[in-house]
Amino acid sequence: AQSVTQPDIHITVSEGASLELRCNYSYGATPYLFWYVQSPGQGLQLLLKYFSGDTLVQGIKGFEAEFKRSQSSFNLRKPSVHWSDAAEYFCAAYPTSGNEKLTFGTGTRLTIIP
Amino acid sequence: KAGVTQTPRYLIKTRGQQVTLSCSPISGHRSVSWYQQTPGQGLQFLFEYFSETQRNKGNFPGRFSGRQFSNSRSEMNVSTLELGDSALYLCASSVGQKNIQYFGAGTRLSVL
Repeated sequence: AQSVTQPDIHITVSEGASLELRCNYSYGATPYLFWYVQSPGQGLQLLLKYFSGDTLVQGIKGFEAEFKRSQSSFNLRKPSVHWSDAAEYFCAAYPTSGNEKLTFGTGTRLTIIP
Repeated sequence: KAGVTQTPRYLIKTRGQQVTLSCSPISGHRSVSWYQQTPGQGLQFLFEYFSETQRNKGNFPGRFSGRQFSNSRSEMNVSTLELGDSALYLCASSVGQKNIQYFGAGTRLSVL
């Protein structure tokens, strides 16, 4: 079955430290991949997306993600986090064959400590 | 360009009632998807509409239904509300084959 896994439920980092959030997918063929962020009580905001080509993609708010086919991973990174980055982050995948649903991981809650 | 608009933002209902939520997609987007988000179950796909037709459906009981109008606006309805229906309901619109979804702020439904 198609699935997206985010192994870390909760991550705490210090302000100014680097961040990496993990995401693994299980699909027959490489899907389109997305990262979303959700602040408390709000909807999801698209951070970045990967379709094909360059495996390092840049997004908004200083985030980037690296696609690794050999590891079926699409990890999100940020060199230096800010207190405003505290939120929940969701990885999602959509099959390239189309006409199916977008599948989300269970999310990773990010806490920033001063 | 205006984003996805969901109304109302908050709703309080009692068990057994029914509720209708509304979603106005981004102009030009013909696909609208609905999700239920709860602390225990996370983000669960309800259904997707494209050009007034339901294209995909999640694993929810028949009490959950939806429709899409010719202007792409969508509504979802939940009948005979249960306490477990308390959740944040999110709507997303998309365009194109890559299905880049843009989300509204959600409707917070509380069932008492």
